[in-house]
Amino acid sequence: SAVISQKPSRDICQRGTSLTIQCQVDSQVTMMFWYRQQPGQSLTLIATANQGSEATYESGFVIDKFPISRPNLTFSTLTVSNMSPEDSSIYLCSVEDLEGLAFFGNEQFFGPGTRLTVL
Amino acid sequence: GENVEQHPSTLSVQEGDSAVIKCTYSDSASNYFPWYKQELGKGPQLIIDIRSNVGEKKDQRIAVTLNKTAKHFSLHITETQPEDSAVYFCAASRETSYGKLTFGQGTILTVHP
Repeated sequence: SAVISQKPSRDICQRGTSLTIQCQVDSQVTMMFWYRQQPGQSLTLIATANQGSEATYESGFVIDKFPISRPNLTFSTLTVSNMSPEDSSIYLCSVEDLEGLAFFGNEQFFGPGTRLTVL
Repeated sequence: GENVEQHPSTLSVQEGDSAVIKCTYSDSASNYFPWYKQELGKGPQLIIDIRSNVGEKKDQRIAVTLNKTAKHFSLHITETQPEDSAVYFCAASRETSYGKLTFGQGTILTVHP
């Protein structure tokens, strides 16, 4: 499986500011995703990071609040903009490589997460 | 859309006992069902998965069963050890819906030595 790293691992931010989270994979992967895990809760998909084009957002998430970049097949960033305390969560990137199982659900691997606290 | 219900929310067992976590899903088109283990301060780790063309899969002390007719699947951990203590999440996705995993609410498993 791929080795996934995220930066920063945690941060404490003031409301109204923005934070950019980086996700780096040690090999090229087809798909990269961003999830949010609110305190004590399950994981919710924010968006699919598309290489070279705009991300695909899930219902309830918008580009102005969570701009995403994916300049190549190993790197993506998620920005949490104009933060409020409700944005305090763990933000996780994940990857899925479709090689070999092109039209079937494939294993998805997660990074260690970024723990964000907004004051 | 898909909805995944997971039970129980907490599970406490003695070391050596078995643990069973159950999930039900709503979308009959779902055909990939992974299980993740999340330890404190870490990201979820894929521990086992099952696809709709099989009914059971085993990997050492871990097994997963799938009943497509009833739309439920279960995680079985035998001979539990304290290091099995973690939060376990089930998930479901549909063929051609890459990355669209819908997660259950999670089960906090505590194994007492």
